[in-house]
Amino acid sequence: QQQVKQSPQSLIVQKGGISIINCAYENTAFDYFPWYQQFPGKGPALLIAIRPDVSEKKEGRFTISFNKSAKQFSLHIMDSQPGDSATYFCAASIEGGSTLGRLYFGRGTQLTVWP
Amino acid sequence: NAGVTQTPKFQVLKTGQSMTLQCAQDMNHNSMYWYRQDPGMGLRLIYYSASEGTTDKGEVPNGYNVSRLNKREFSLRLESAAPSQTSVYFCASSEALGADRPLYEQYFGPGTRLTVT
Repeated sequence: QQQVKQSPQSLIVQKGGISIINCAYENTAFDYFPWYQQFPGKGPALLIAIRPDVSEKKEGRFTISFNKSAKQFSLHIMDSQPGDSATYFCAASIEGGSTLGRLYFGRGTQLTVWP
Repeated sequence: NAGVTQTPKFQVLKTGQSMTLQCAQDMNHNSMYWYRQDPGMGLRLIYYSASEGTTDKGEVPNGYNVSRLNKREFSLRLESAAPSQTSVYFCASSEALGADRPLYEQYFGPGTRLTVT
């Protein structure tokens, strides 16, 4: 059973446009929601993360929107650039308890930004 | 400071052969993880180790074994490789300080691309 569902699987956006990737989860015990960015041939790297006590977090052109009641969160990339072309993974985790940092990943979204 | 290193970068095995994927981190992290990445499947956790001397199964542990050799090193062994184990394998580490402390991000290595024929 997939703990975190991510959509779309692939996304093509024109340069300067807004890229939006959505994720949904079922386990209400999740309390940490990071996004990872992966370039071809590289390992994933943390892009931005949010905890459920806030509804939005912004870092530069990247924003996470979080809807606790709907159990959904999304990544918005404003003014998308060709250099943003990568695979993006959402994830969820329970910070405390026995799982100690285990991340449950979505299946990924391959973003292509056309110049 | 190299972060997380993995060896080898590429490997081709025949069905039934065995091999060990090596991972080391120099960030003094307690927790280490092994994932496999397959197209359209995202990152799936194979095994993880919350601290030196402990290991736990993840989502897809069948066909794999792990050893947490010391705090720095966490190896993944395929005893009898199968074509279904063709994948890209990532090792990661993080500092998990305990149930009442905040988590930090997972740092990933560059991956090992394994093909089993």
